[in-house]
Amino acid sequence: QVQLVQSGAEVKKPGASVKVSCKASGYTFTNYGISWVRQAPGQGLEWMGWITTYIGNTNYAQKLQGRVTMTTDTSTTTAYMDLRSLRSDDTAVYFCARGGGFSYPLDYWGQGTLVTVSS
Amino acid sequence: QSALTQPPSVSGSPGQSVTISCTGTSSDVGSYNRVSWYQQPPGTAPKLMIYEVRNRPSGVPDRFSGSKSGNTASLTISGLQAEDEADYYCSSYTTSSTLVFGGGTKLTVL
Repeated sequence: QVQLVQSGAEVKKPGASVKVSCKASGYTFTNYGISWVRQAPGQGLEWMGWITTYIGNTNYAQKLQGRVTMTTDTSTTTAYMDLRSLRSDDTAVYFCARGGGFSYPLDYWGQGTLVTVSS
Repeated sequence: QSALTQPPSVSGSPGQSVTISCTGTSSDVGSYNRVSWYQQPPGTAPKLMIYEVRNRPSGVPDRFSGSKSGNTASLTISGLQAEDEADYYCSSYTTSSTLVFGGGTKLTVL
């Protein structure tokens, strides 16, 4: 069965960086992209971007351009999301999801990773 | 890219039907049949309920249906059940090759 398992919760200080991982299993990793979505406490879903796993092309939300990098390691079927220069308003649950782009809805989701940014 | 517009809350009694609207623009909802709906009970990850406006993934009850007219998409849940109580989000592909979500709608089953 398709599974996306994310890394554990993180607490970071303002200005630091965080890297969240997303281990995929149960399907051919390179057949689907991976999207990242975040949800601030009590708020709605915010699309962060996505990456094509077979070639590594990325498309990021404009508001995160320059601070976010998404990568994949096909040998370990793992996707990564790196967010730099953290601010307090980056405090959120970060989700990875299979799919993205025009052709693929976000059909399977990871369990979420809470990132807390606090001094 | 502004979020799609959803009503903050809707409610209905068991057995009734409710419809949640999702209004975008000609740059997103109006341009493509790439509207999805997600269900999110508290403290859990979102679950895909509808994709490409009206298609249901395997395992989603046929009580859930989707439609679209112009720049507005809709999710209808018929035969409401207590287990349907959750937050619901729409999303759409955009002409900028990005994805945009709605603000979310809290469904209360009375």
